[in-house]
Amino acid sequence: AQSVSQHNHHVILSEAASLELGCNYSYGGTVNLFWYVQYPGQHLQLLLKYFSGDPLVKGIKGFEAEFIKSKFSFNLRKPSVQWSDTAEYFCAVKRLGSARQLTFGSGTQLTVLP
Amino acid sequence: GAGVSQTPSNKVTEKGKYVELRCDPISGHTALYWYRQSLGQGPEFLIYFQGTGAADDSGLPNDRFFAVRPEGSVSTLKIQRTERGDSAVYLCASSLGSGGTSTDTQYFGPGTRLTVL
Repeated sequence: AQSVSQHNHHVILSEAASLELGCNYSYGGTVNLFWYVQYPGQHLQLLLKYFSGDPLVKGIKGFEAEFIKSKFSFNLRKPSVQWSDTAEYFCAVKRLGSARQLTFGSGTQLTVLP
Repeated sequence: GAGVSQTPSNKVTEKGKYVELRCDPISGHTALYWYRQSLGQGPEFLIYFQGTGAADDSGLPNDRFFAVRPEGSVSTLKIQRTERGDSAVYLCASSLGSGGTSTDTQYFGPGTRLTVL
């Protein structure tokens, strides 16, 4: 079965620090990749997505992610975090084919200290 | 435009009772998905509708769970004989299409927090 791994369960950073959150998936076929964010008290929001083309994807609020097919990875990065980035981040994968659903990782809670 | 809406936002029920959770997708979105999110976990797929039909219900945990989308818009997730283990946040998402392109992007509602006592 397809699985998505987010190895960091809780990350604590100071403002202005750089961020990288790991995401690895197990499916070997063609995939679409997503990062969603859930701010405190809010619902899941799309941060960025990869469907095809340039493996370096830019999203909202200065986030970017790089798809490395050979490593089955889609890590999220931000060069300088802000206190307002405190949230839970979810990586999700959709394999192309008959399945249409997203498979999510277990999430990474990011806490940014002011 | 309006996003995905879900009602109620919170539902507390007793073990053995029947509950209905409603999802109103983004207008014009043909695909609708239900997920369940337990504490400390990512959302887990339950069922997917394309139009009025359930195209994939492989994520439903057992036959106590059922969902409908009779007119291809609003969907209702129904849980019979609720159990304490059903307590979770039930999320609904919709997408414009489902064909493997950017129109597949799923947009989520705020969820219904179900607590079974």
